[in-house]
Amino acid sequence: DSGVTQTPKHLITATGQRVTLRCSPRSGDLSVYWYQQSLDQGLQFLIQYYNGEERAKGNILERFSAQQFPDLHSELNLSSLELGDSALYFCASSVSSVISGNTIYFGEGSWLTVV
Amino acid sequence: AQSVTQLDSHVSVSEGTPVLLRCNYSSSYSPSLFWYVQHPNKGLQLLLKYTSAATLVKGINGFEAEFKKSETSFHLTKPSAHMSDAAEYFCVVSDNTDKLIFGTGTRLQVFP
Repeated sequence: DSGVTQTPKHLITATGQRVTLRCSPRSGDLSVYWYQQSLDQGLQFLIQYYNGEERAKGNILERFSAQQFPDLHSELNLSSLELGDSALYFCASSVSSVISGNTIYFGEGSWLTVV
Repeated sequence: AQSVTQLDSHVSVSEGTPVLLRCNYSSSYSPSLFWYVQHPNKGLQLLLKYTSAATLVKGINGFEAEFKKSETSFHLTKPSAHMSDAAEYFCVVSDNTDKLIFGTGTRLQVFP
């Protein structure tokens, strides 16, 4: 158990809908990362927050947004869902905002199926 | 830009035989390199990481990897495979904006 908690574990929704994925980082970790794993794109970095502030942005679509709350949990909001958004969404956390010398722990992911 | 190439999409070994999963990286500076493992329907677990200390890095479950700058490689090895090692393995490099760049993965099958 990495200590990173993601909910829900599985989610099935229809095209055009909006969903929210939730992540609780490991105790003491200030950084939260979101990754998307799909069959065609592999594992791709979406966005990083550090202590409530956006720190880095990757291949995140405009239909997607995220935030990190004062208690450090994070939410990834996916709207106007398309079939191609079906994927496994990982949250990860670390103590620091930088990777070098740091360890990043991943949750078990949230499976999103868009039908 | 940083990148990693996992040279094999699938590797099959017999239980008790050595494992070699190959990874080459591209980086314009001294990189941080990682190996993660993903078991079916599970999250990503860190096996080991290299961050410019010792070039031979020992990880969990008997895995180790050697950083070879001259060959830009970071291959993952294990002397003796176990059935429980069957999983997907990802070689990962951190880029200069501190994002993790994942390879495409190598699926390891272990036969009895």
